[in-house]
Amino acid sequence: EVQLVESGGGLVKPGGSLRLSCAASGFTFSSYSMNWVRQAPGKGLEWVSSISSSSSYIYYADSVKGRFTISRDNAKNSLYLQMNSLRAEDTAVYYCAREGELGGADYWGQGTLVTVSS
Amino acid sequence: DIQMTQSPSSVSASVGDRVTITCRASQGISSWLAWYQQKPGKAPKLLIYAASSLQSGVPSRFSGSGSGTDFTLTISSLQPEDFATYYCQQANSFLWTFGQGTKVEIK
Repeated sequence: EVQLVESGGGLVKPGGSLRLSCAASGFTFSSYSMNWVRQAPGKGLEWVSSISSSSSYIYYADSVKGRFTISRDNAKNSLYLQMNSLRAEDTAVYYCAREGELGGADYWGQGTLVTVSS
Repeated sequence: DIQMTQSPSSVSASVGDRVTITCRASQGISSWLAWYQQKPGKAPKLLIYAASSLQSGVPSRFSGSGSGTDFTLTISSLQPEDFATYYCQQANSFLWTFGQGTKVEIK
């Protein structure tokens, strides 16, 4: 059974940093691109970042470029999101999601809440 | 960036109704479109990928169509468990974008 479990969320002050993790199991993690998608309270879905299976290709939304860094450790079946210079507008539930072969995200984690507030 | 526009933003419908949601891309995306269902407090669930392919385990009352810039998600006979918010998402560009969502409510 495919499982994605996020962790690392919490309350952080504006300008602070946080590192999210996503532990994957039930599939060959090293064969799939992975994504982070977020959802602000009461709002829609926003794609944040993606990383290819071997980390060769990395992409970011303009809203986080230069502040967030995506990475993965295929030996540990883990995906990460390092978030720096956090702003109030980064407050959201952050989901990790596996990218299916024909686009789209076929498996999602349960999400982890990041709250940026003083 | 490719913009995705869904309509309507909300729809009220009854059990057994046929419901259609549309999604328009700001530029052609071939068939690189996915549809998701999200219930409150839960992660999104993939329904349709590649515009018209039904994800494994998804009931056949859900169907998708379209290519290029105009796409449709149809629920042929609405069931109580289908009341949720639906999102389209383009995967033509490496920078994914989602539609703003369509909330399907009970009439």
